[in-house]
Amino acid sequence: QAVLTQPSSLSASPGAAARLTCTLRSGINVGTYRIYWYQQKPGSPPQFLLRYKSDSDKQEASGVPSRFSGSKDASANAGILLISGLQSEDEADYYCMIWHSSGWVFGGGTKLTVL
Amino acid sequence: QVHLVQSGTEMKKPGSSVKVSCKTSGTTFSSYALNWVRQAPGQGLEWIGGINPIFGEGNYAQKFQGRVTITADEATSTAYMELKTLTFDDTAVYYCAGGVVGAGLDSWGLGTLVTVSS
Repeated sequence: QAVLTQPSSLSASPGAAARLTCTLRSGINVGTYRIYWYQQKPGSPPQFLLRYKSDSDKQEASGVPSRFSGSKDASANAGILLISGLQSEDEADYYCMIWHSSGWVFGGGTKLTVL
Repeated sequence: QVHLVQSGTEMKKPGSSVKVSCKTSGTTFSSYALNWVRQAPGQGLEWIGGINPIFGEGNYAQKFQGRVTITADEATSTAYMELKTLTFDDTAVYYCAGGVVGAGLDSWGLGTLVTVSS
């Protein structure tokens, strides 16, 4: 079982909200991890969006719109990236990442389609 | 603002090695951890390893142990990633990504395409 699992795709309408999940493998407690989120558009490197551990331990990258926010769902053992007021420019691949067992681990990525 | 400038496209034969460089600017090199992440065509991101210039030793994903060496030259603020015994499956874009030691990967290079072909 992968350390981080993300849905392969998600579709949402312009103006709506998209909730992207990053589920940690059973036995790995989401509460102890900083979850990092990245956005990648075709032909470009990933861009750091934000990291979230708790409301008192979080950071958004400079220039990232406030429409992007992080949270956790402890009951699902998952990190959440919420994108509100979806715009066409938000269409991209989104990756989560954690520091686990002395290395960085990425989720498989979610392709977000805005239609 | 941190800038990471990577070396150019590489075309390699199976069994050979490749060495990719990543020159940093806009930050204190010794306090900036540099990592290598690759992305095969149409696939996701895969961490290869990283180096903390303070300690000077690379830290590698188990999958690449014994086949990769990451080094850093503080005099030129440049990190290197050498991958040996290349196979077709090593064809990918290799990204240099860094962040302040103890933080995440907040700056990325544009990537270096490495193609392994006979």
